Amino acid sequence: EVQLLESGGGLVQPGGSLRLSCAASGFSFSSYALIWVRQAPGKGLEWVSGITGSDGNTYYAESVKGRFTISRDTSKDTLYLQMNSLRAEDTAVYYCAKDSTGEYWGQGTLVTVSS
Amino acid sequence: DIQMTQSPSSLSASVGDRVIITCRASQGIRNDLAWYQQKPGKPPKRLMYATSRLHGGVPPRFSGSGSGTEFTLTISSLQPEDFATYYCLQHNSYPRTFGGGTKVEIK
Repeated sequence: EVQLLESGGGLVQPGGSLRLSCAASGFSFSSYALIWVRQAPGKGLEWVSGITGSDGNTYYAESVKGRFTISRDTSKDTLYLQMNSLRAEDTAVYYCAKDSTGEYWGQGTLVTVSS
Repeated sequence: DIQMTQSPSSLSASVGDRVIITCRASQGIRNDLAWYQQKPGKPPKRLMYATSRLHGGVPPRFSGSGSGTEFTLTISSLQPEDFATYYCLQHNSYPRTFGGGTKVEIK
């Protein structure tokens, strides 16, 4: 059974940093693309970042480029999202999902950027 | 970036109705489109990908069609558990982009 468990969310001040983690199980972690998607309160889904399976190429939405970094540790089957220079508009539930079409999703972790 | 325009943004329908939701891409994406269902407080669930390939366990009343720039999600006979918000996602190129969502409410 595929499982994805996000952690690391919380309250952070504007300009601060957070690192989200997504622990994966139930599939061959290094073989699949993984993505981060966020959802601001009461809003729609926004694709944030993705990392390809085979070669680990990374991609970002324009809204986070230069501030967020996606990475993975294949020894720990864990996906990360390092978020720097956080802004109020980054407040959202952050989901990780398996493969580039979001085959399976985690339950999400809430990030609140506020002073 | 490819823009995805989803319509309508909301609709009211009754159990048993046929419902059609549309997504338009700002440029051709072949058949690289996925659909998701989301209920309040829950993560999205993939319904289908590559326009018309059903995710395992998704009932056949859900179907997808289209190619290039125009795509539709059809629910042939709306069931009580189908009241939710639906999103499309283009998985043709990076960055991926979602449509704005369609909230399906009970009439």
